[in-house]
Amino acid sequence: AQSVSQHNHHVILSEAASLELGCNYSYGGTVNLFWYVQYPGQHLQLLLKYFSGDPLVKGIKGFEAEFIKSKFSFNLRKPSVQWSDTAEYFCAVNAGGNEKLTFGTGTRLTIIP
Amino acid sequence: DVKVTQSSRYLVKRTGEKVFLECVQDMDHENMFWYRQDPGLGLRLIYFSYDVKMKEKGDIPEGYSVSREKKERFSLILESASTNQTSMYLCASSLPRAGETQYFGPGTRLLVL
Repeated sequence: AQSVSQHNHHVILSEAASLELGCNYSYGGTVNLFWYVQYPGQHLQLLLKYFSGDPLVKGIKGFEAEFIKSKFSFNLRKPSVQWSDTAEYFCAVNAGGNEKLTFGTGTRLTIIP
Repeated sequence: DVKVTQSSRYLVKRTGEKVFLECVQDMDHENMFWYRQDPGLGLRLIYFSYDVKMKEKGDIPEGYSVSREKKERFSLILESASTNQTSMYLCASSLPRAGETQYFGPGTRLLVL
């Protein structure tokens, strides 16, 4: 069975700092990869996803992620964070054509103004 | 805009009670999902339904059952609530293909006393 690892449990940054959140998965075949975000008091929503094609994926609010197949990674990046990026971020994977998602344990991001 | 609604935002029940959590989606999605979200554990899949009256166990189905009598509605049932089922419960829906975005409801925070 596939699994997803998010090694950063809580990240604290100042506004304008650059962000990189790690995500690694374990599955040797075809995958679809997702980053979801949960802002305080809001629904979980899609930030971006990799389905096929260009491994560099751009999402909402200036976020991007790069799928590196050889490293089994899909790290999330943003060059300059804002206070409004404070949220919990979840990486998830569909593996082998499966419609179910496996989620990581999440990374809580706190941005200090 | 996809909308997934859940019947309650907060629920308090006593040990041994039968609990029903309801979820409704308005986008004619075939797939519906129930997850529980716990701090440090991320989202874990309880049950998945890919059509009316069709269901599949997720990673943690013990102590839960589900019902899908209509396409738009997916119910999670706790037959006899226990304190270790205190959690946030999230419902989601999607189209029936790997790589499709799952759309989430606002969640039901259940406290079992």
